[in-house]
Amino acid sequence: AQTVTQSQPEMSVQEAETVTLSCTYDTSESDYYLFWYKQPPSRQMILVIRQEAYKQQNATENRFSVNFQKAAKSFSLKISDSQLGDAAMYFCACRFSNDYKLSFGAGTTVTVRA
Amino acid sequence: DSGVTQTPKHLITATGQRVTLRCSPRSGDLSVYWYQQSLDQGLQFLIHYYNGEERAKGNILERFSAQQFPDLHSELNLSSLELGDSALYFCASSVTTSGSGGAGDTQYFGPGTRLTVL
Repeated sequence: AQTVTQSQPEMSVQEAETVTLSCTYDTSESDYYLFWYKQPPSRQMILVIRQEAYKQQNATENRFSVNFQKAAKSFSLKISDSQLGDAAMYFCACRFSNDYKLSFGAGTTVTVRA
Repeated sequence: DSGVTQTPKHLITATGQRVTLRCSPRSGDLSVYWYQQSLDQGLQFLIHYYNGEERAKGNILERFSAQQFPDLHSELNLSSLELGDSALYFCASSVTTSGSGGAGDTQYFGPGTRLTVL
């Protein structure tokens, strides 16, 4: 079975500091795509960042970056210079090459302290 | 704004009833996906349509059905509703030019429909 695991139910970070969210996945496929989505209190699912498994370079989007370790099947999200607006639930998701759907982790709730 | 629209935003109904949720994909997107987000099950894939044809089914109950119309909008029909069907239902869309899955396609989500079954 292809699974996505987020082991941190909650994380707290001081404003302007950095927080890292963990995600691991399990697959025998070599080609797949990884995503982080943000779900703020409005419940909208917002794409944060995307990583192609065939690319060695880690993706970056402004204050958001990933640490993709293919051999370890790990895909962590780093939020730098945290802002109050970053408070949300963050979901790691994977789309495996033999599948159409996104497989989601359970989510990590991020709280930003002022 | 993702460009994906969903109506209604909120729906409150009684057990045993039937409802229809509507989704309009982003302009140019051929694929529509439906997901259910509940407290106990997390985000679960329900079904995928590509250019009017069903492509994949996930954990979708037999009481649920969907279709995608020629103008590419999609509807999710939920019937014989039970308390446990209360959830947030998301529609997402992607380009999927080949129709073969397009694992690289990014899915963009609509704002969701909050269904409450009383």
